[in-house]
Amino acid sequence: DAKTTQPPSMDCAEGRAANLPCNHSTISGNEYVYWYRQIHSQGPQYIIHGLKNNETNEMASLIITEDRKSSTLILPHATLRDTAVYYCIAVNNNAGNMLTFGGGTRLMVKP
Amino acid sequence: GAVVSQHPSRVICKSGTSVKIECRSLDFQATTMFWYRQFPKKSLMLMATSNEGSKATYEQGVEKDKFLINHASLTLSTLTVTSAHPEDSSFYICSAPGQLEQYFGPGTRLTVT
Repeated sequence: DAKTTQPPSMDCAEGRAANLPCNHSTISGNEYVYWYRQIHSQGPQYIIHGLKNNETNEMASLIITEDRKSSTLILPHATLRDTAVYYCIAVNNNAGNMLTFGGGTRLMVKP
Repeated sequence: GAVVSQHPSRVICKSGTSVKIECRSLDFQATTMFWYRQFPKKSLMLMATSNEGSKATYEQGVEKDKFLINHASLTLSTLTVTSAHPEDSSFYICSAPGQLEQYFGPGTRLTVT
């Protein structure tokens, strides 16, 4: 699976949009971009994934650049409960594959 | 969505003893489950892939005789930490794949004294 690079930490004001970047310049054509988050002392939670097109669900939006070398996860109105470590992972198109976690971005939402 | 449970949620044991951690898929079947270990302020590291009906596949550097994995049924995988040492103290997390995503258990915090 392609390596991903994320900033180690970010702050965001409560109620504002949180934009979390991820670089995956070596991503291959059959690899999806997946985002998970891990709240302190809990198991990771799936957020969203995409291949080429931008995606939106009830939790977040995912913007993937046209060349697929980078993406941005957007939490439109961050709350204190969104404080977590966010992991961007490139995953082969078989969802049964194991995940290789990088360092992630520690997002701190502040009041 | 699908639910994966782990038991116990936290356990304290003495050096030299063995500890069993259970991972269950509650409303779906999983022929494969994954076991991860996470040290404080670190990322998750894959330990092994648990396969129903066959032997587990271990990642490089993970001792298969120390971390025994048994995938007894389509909804249950167990990880047994044998002869535990303080350096085995960690957060152990399992996951099971769904159609589009991995479902993670809540984790088990193991402390070896």
